[in-house]
Amino acid sequence: DSGVTQTPKHLITATGQRVTLRCSPRSGDLSVYWYQQSLDQGLQFLIQYYNGEERAKGNILERFSAQQFPDLHSELNLSSLELGDSALYFCASSVGEGGPWETQYFGPGTRLLVL
Amino acid sequence: GNSVTQMEGPVTLSEEAFLTINCTYTATGYPSLFWYVQYPGEGLQLLLKATKADDKGSNKGFEATYRKETTSFHLEKGSVQVSDSAVYFCALESGGGADGLTFGKGTHLIIQP
Repeated sequence: DSGVTQTPKHLITATGQRVTLRCSPRSGDLSVYWYQQSLDQGLQFLIQYYNGEERAKGNILERFSAQQFPDLHSELNLSSLELGDSALYFCASSVGEGGPWETQYFGPGTRLLVL
Repeated sequence: GNSVTQMEGPVTLSEEAFLTINCTYTATGYPSLFWYVQYPGEGLQLLLKATKADDKGSNKGFEATYRKETTSFHLEKGSVQVSDSAVYFCALESGGGADGLTFGKGTHLIIQP
């Protein structure tokens, strides 16, 4: 158990809808990262928040947005969903701002199915 | 940009066999290198890491050495067990954390008794 929690575990929705995925980092960790794992694209970094502020941006679509709240939990919002958004979404956390010397600890993931 | 290349498999071995999973990378700066493991139905767990050239990461009998001259970070284990069956991801993080982790496609390892 990494200490990172994600809810819900599974989500089934329809095209065009909007969903929110939630992540609670390990106690004391200030950074939260979001990753998407799909069969065709593999594991891709989406976005990082550090202490409430956006820190780094990866391959995140404009239809997707995230935020980190004062209690450090984070939410990933996915809107105008398409079939291709079906994937496993992972959250990870690390103690500081990130970078090559920090270890990221991953949650169990949220499996999203868009029908 | 950064990239990681690893054999995708599946790789099927018998119990107690020697394991090598190759990983090579392209990166700017001086990245740290990681191996993560994903067991069925679970998230990723850090297996080992190395933060500079010639460092050797090791954990649970697995080892990998950061080779800057060949830009490689191959994963090895002397004697695999059925419980090692999982998907293994090689990853890198370059300086500044601006890109998050860059992952390879993953190698599915199957160990048969």
